[in-house]
Amino acid sequence: ETGVTQSPTHLIKTRGQQVTLRCSSQSGHNTVSWYQQALGQGPQFIFQYYREEENGRGNFPPRFSGLQFPNYSSELNVNALELDDSALYLCASNLGLNTGELFFGEGSRLTVL
Amino acid sequence: QKEVEQNSGPLSVPEGAIASLNCTYSDRVSQSFFWYRQYSGKSPELIMSIYSNGDKEDGRFTAQLNKASQYVSLLIRDSQPSDSATYLCAVFNAGNNRKLIWGLGTSLAVNP
Repeated sequence: ETGVTQSPTHLIKTRGQQVTLRCSSQSGHNTVSWYQQALGQGPQFIFQYYREEENGRGNFPPRFSGLQFPNYSSELNVNALELDDSALYLCASNLGLNTGELFFGEGSRLTVL
Repeated sequence: QKEVEQNSGPLSVPEGAIASLNCTYSDRVSQSFFWYRQYSGKSPELIMSIYSNGDKEDGRFTAQLNKASQYVSLLIRDSQPSDSATYLCAVFNAGNNRKLIWGLGTSLAVNP
């Protein structure tokens, strides 16, 4: 069974640039959630995708967008990067919508200079 | 009031002792409760889930839920230095909301 994989693991961008983060869900999982975790904070929910459709969104501006593909992998896109976007971005997959049992990837650490 | 509250710690216990981690939540219709462990620089890992009042034991870990008091706890018996991590409490409402709400985490240090 393949776990959740994320890429890239680390990246550095400058203010105003755009970034795309990628996530492959665990085998058999059709739901992917994205979280932002700043240092010393709990994970903040960005959005969730279920069967290729956005199903729930946290308090993040529209410059945070995403996609889920037919194989249930997913992308998180962030436009017009700001310094405060520096964080660990976590992808989690699970089966279905009615569960809080999430399986996380190792995360993508984004630094915005 | 935050939706899910935890003491940030750090909670420091000697090796072999019982570590007690606490979490309170504000939404009475919350239905399921989770403890995740997060090592520094790593991603969260689910260690316990609990759905009904009472205790649930798994190895050295015991989760306790009291819905009337809106309180969930995690006990770690015979604490080991490898248990040193941040423990995140998460609460799920499977109703219209269907959101997993996270606490900020409690940092635990187990001293040899």
